[in-house]
Amino acid sequence: QKEVEQNSGPLSVPEGAIASLNCTYSDRGSQSFFWYRQYSGKSPELIMFIYSNGDKEDGRFTAQLNKASQYVSLLIRDSQPSDSATYLCAVKESGAGSYQLTFGKGTKLSVIP
Amino acid sequence: DVKVTQSSRYLVKRTGEKVFLECVQDMDHENMFWYRQDPGLGLRLIYFSYDVKMKEKGDIPEGYSVSREKKERFSLILESASTNQTSMYLCASSPGQGTRGYTFGSGTRLTVV
Repeated sequence: QKEVEQNSGPLSVPEGAIASLNCTYSDRGSQSFFWYRQYSGKSPELIMFIYSNGDKEDGRFTAQLNKASQYVSLLIRDSQPSDSATYLCAVKESGAGSYQLTFGKGTKLSVIP
Repeated sequence: DVKVTQSSRYLVKRTGEKVFLECVQDMDHENMFWYRQDPGLGLRLIYFSYDVKMKEKGDIPEGYSVSREKKERFSLILESASTNQTSMYLCASSPGQGTRGYTFGSGTRLTVV
């Protein structure tokens, strides 16, 4: 059973701080990794994807991937109250002909003004 | 932008009714997925399809069926609705081998009474 693990939180950070969200995965062959943001009552929205070891930056968001340790993280710099949401980590399954993503249960982030 | 449209935002049905949830995407994506999302349980895959007329069971297919007669449309059918099928239902689509992640529809919150 392929698994993606996230701390459910809630993670509370003050406005302007760096929020760090972590995710570990069990499928060593996975090659594609995604972060989704989900506001309460809404559907998930893709905010970042990463394929290679290292960091990928997009505005205030940085995704970090370490395949050897099988973890992915998302850093949100200068956190804003509008960043308060649940963040889902997703991993594309390895294996021929498998195009599915396996999702973690999400980390709830609360940014305190 | 890819658009995935779910026909209803909120739906209330009675126990035993046959329920149809419709999903249409407008970007010629090969892959389509149906999930349900419940508090504490995360996203659970019900069915998926990688091509027209093709369907595969996900992790929780019991009590559900699907239909994909056209590439852009993927329908979820609750054969005889039960109260334990009260949930948020999310449709998603992705192109090719899924390395770009999913685009989700806005979701249908189904209540079975």
